[in-house]
Amino acid sequence: TAGITQAPTSQILAAGRSMTLRCTQDMRHNAMYWYRQDLGLGLRLIHYSNTAGTTGKGEVPDGYSVSRANTDDFPLTLASAVPSQTSVYFCASSDSMVNEQFFGPGTRLTVL
Amino acid sequence: AQSVAQPEDQVNVAEGNPLTVKCTYSVSGNPYLFWYVQYPNRGLQFLLKYITGDNLVKGSYGFEAEFNKSQTSFHLKKPSALVSDSALYFCAVRGPYTGTASKLTFGTGTRLQVTL
Repeated sequence: TAGITQAPTSQILAAGRSMTLRCTQDMRHNAMYWYRQDLGLGLRLIHYSNTAGTTGKGEVPDGYSVSRANTDDFPLTLASAVPSQTSVYFCASSDSMVNEQFFGPGTRLTVL
Repeated sequence: AQSVAQPEDQVNVAEGNPLTVKCTYSVSGNPYLFWYVQYPNRGLQFLLKYITGDNLVKGSYGFEAEFNKSQTSFHLKKPSALVSDSALYFCAVRGPYTGTASKLTFGTGTRLQVTL
């Protein structure tokens, strides 16, 4: 089983450009999440979705938007990238509110 | 607000020796606690969790963790370390279920280095 896939694996982006990071899960999990991982800061939640059609803000939502049109897909969009958004981005999902989250392989984004 | 502290940036241990990776937490109400491992250039992998019940939780790859409510700790342990255990370890916590998504708060991570 694939679990969670993310695309692209890595990307170099010019500041001011827009980009969408893709995330797809095949586990039929209700909840999905986007995190960014920065050295010394651990993982920080950007946005989350309880179920298809709903989204919520996490700890660091500014500059990012998400949508959840269906159960499987949870894209993350940077409307106008800035260098501080250089990071590794992880998508995750969980089947319930109390169980563990499953993580994708990550997207390494560099904004120049 | 909930928080997690992993006081050690790095833990060094010889193969065959026991290892401990420390984690303390702060949350309102009963905690849900998790340990994840991250190998280089990979996503996080779930190791174990504490929801309720026995304070000693056993997980993947021979790891276990002990929940201590009075000390608000959830230290990760393994009786005999392997070189292949070398990785980055994250502790995470969330508060009681409130009907919203399971928003975890992660620690900053502890790098475990196991040497021969």
